[in-house]
Order: sequence, then structure tokens, then C-alpha cells
Amino acid sequence: QKEVEQNSGPLSVPEGAIASLNCTYSDRVSQSFFWYRQYSGKSPELIMSIYSNGDKEDGRFTAQLNKASQYVSLLIRDSQPSDSATYLCAVKEDSGYSTLTFGKGTMLLVSP
Amino acid sequence: NAGVTQTPKFQVLKTGQSMTLQCAQDMNHNSMYWYRQDPGMGLRLIYYSASEGTTDKGEVPNGYNVSRLNKREFSLRLESAAPSQTSVYFCASSIRQGAGETQYFGPGTRLLVL
Repeated sequence: QKEVEQNSGPLSVPEGAIASLNCTYSDRVSQSFFWYRQYSGKSPELIMSIYSNGDKEDGRFTAQLNKASQYVSLLIRDSQPSDSATYLCAVKEDSGYSTLTFGKGTMLLVSP
Repeated sequence: NAGVTQTPKFQVLKTGQSMTLQCAQDMNHNSMYWYRQDPGMGLRLIYYSASEGTTDKGEVPNGYNVSRLNKREFSLRLESAAPSQTSVYFCASSIRQGAGETQYFGPGTRLLVL
């Protein structure tokens, strides 16, 4: 049984600060990693994907992957109140056809 | 280009009633998925269809059936609804992009079973 663990939060940060969201996974064959953002009452939307160890930056977002430690994180720089949402971590094997396994999500609250 | 659409948006059922949730995508994606999302449980996969003509069980398939009607449409059927099936249901479709595969979600169906 694959497991993806996230702290449920809420993680509270002031506007302009860096928000750090963490995710650990149990399955060592996981090869693809995704961060989805979900606003309350809305559907998940993809914000970042990462496949190789190291950092990947996209605007204010940076995903960090450490496969040896089975750890993936998302940093949000210059956090804005509009970033307040639940962030879902998802992992996927790349052996043949496989599906995503989602964590339960971390709620982020950015206060003005 | 509407992406992934779902109908209905909201439904109330009585225990034992049946219903079908509809999902369609206009992105020419091969793979489609049905998830349920419950408070504290995250997104759990019910069924998926890797390609037209195939369907497979996910993590929580009991009490559900699916039909991949064609490449665009993937429906989820509750034959005899139970209060435990009260949830928000999301349909998704996906395409391989480079090294990975990106899933796009529909707006969801909120189902209440009394």
C-alpha cells in the first residue's frame, strides 16, 4: 500500500513570507511527483511537477525532491493571501501504467 | 475548449436509489479517472480507464460501476446509494507530457445520500 504523508495544518504564514510545505512517500519506485492546489469548494489544479532530484523553480514556486530521503517539498516565496488553499502532494510510479497516489493535503493560510 | 465537464453539480439521493454521474473531456486524452474526496481522507481513486475500452478498479471501487462510453466520456454509476457514499466526486483526464503525466480535474459533483 503506497502512502503519501502530509501535515494537515493549517500552516499559517504572514503575507510576504516563505511558506514551506512538505510531503513524504513510502514507495521507493515512485518517479513522478506533483503538487496540486485546491481552493475551498473547487477542484485540484496542477501547479508543479518534478521528476529529478534537486530543485525546480516556476515563478514564486520551488519544488524540491530528494528521492534518497523519499521527500518532496514545495516552497512558496512572497506568499499572498490568494495562496491560501489546500496543497495536495501526489506521487506516481513510472513502471508501465500507474495511477497517482495523493496525500491528504496541507491547508495554507496566508494572513494580510 | 471546456476541458473536463461533470454533471450534475449537486445531487441528493435517498438510500437505495441509483444514479449515474457523467463526465466528458474535449482534450483528446486517453486516460480518465473517478475520485471521491471526503474530509480528512484526501482524494481516493474509485475507478480509472487507461484507454478507450478498458476500465480498472482503484482504491475504493465497492458500490460503484463505470462505463467508458467512448474516448470522451466516462460515467460512474451508483446502483444502490448508501449514506457512506456521500462525498464530492471528481472526474479527471490525463495526457503524458514529457517525463510525466498531468491530470486535469473537472469541477466536481457534490452528492448527499440520506
